[in-house]
Amino acid sequence: RKEVEQDPGPFNVPEGATVAFNCTYSNSASQSFFWYRQDCRKEPKLLMSVYSSGNEDGRFTAQLNRASQYISLLIRDSKLSDSATYLCVVNGGSYIPTFGRGTSLIVHP
Amino acid sequence: GAVVSQHPSRVICKSGTSVKIECRSLDFQATTMFWYRQFPKQSLMLMATSNEGSKATYEQGVEKDKFLINHASLTLSTLTVTSAHPEDSSFYICSAPVMRGSGELFFGEGSRLTVL
Repeated sequence: RKEVEQDPGPFNVPEGATVAFNCTYSNSASQSFFWYRQDCRKEPKLLMSVYSSGNEDGRFTAQLNRASQYISLLIRDSKLSDSATYLCVVNGGSYIPTFGRGTSLIVHP
Repeated sequence: GAVVSQHPSRVICKSGTSVKIECRSLDFQATTMFWYRQFPKQSLMLMATSNEGSKATYEQGVEKDKFLINHASLTLSTLTVTSAHPEDSSFYICSAPVMRGSGELFFGEGSRLTVL
């Protein structure tokens, strides 16, 4: 089983839709969690950290479920500019962050 | 502005030549840097962890003699792809932790290598 797993998609949604991605991780001792966004042929950029209590930043909501070992990202009112690959990153305490393969989102008019 | 600067952003080379990629931390010291490789439509794969003043730690399956990593100062890590072949063509990205153990990373802009 891979350490961090994501559905690669693509998720194809119309503008204004709500879309959610999940990411599962295998190391129960994992300590910190992040969502990054990567545009084609660019470096990843931090979208948001994921806190135990869940956190929201505008249209984006991230949640952590330790019992089931997954994190989620919810995007409301999708914009065309949200089209990108969303990478889940988990730090298992070894100081080396582990990346999921990413979930591709395509928002169409 | 960028806190990790990587260059060159693009390089095209002939098969058999060596290519050096530099990764610099700006305004902060990076005792550790990570080097990743990403093939089209694939995830970021960790190649090695670069440690200032000591040998790099390579991931399983990554040839240390082919991918030479040097981290001679607290602000510079270099990756040299030696005797490059077309299958080494990829997107190489460096990153440095914001804080040790935090998992949050500053990324370089990436270097796209094409080996002819």
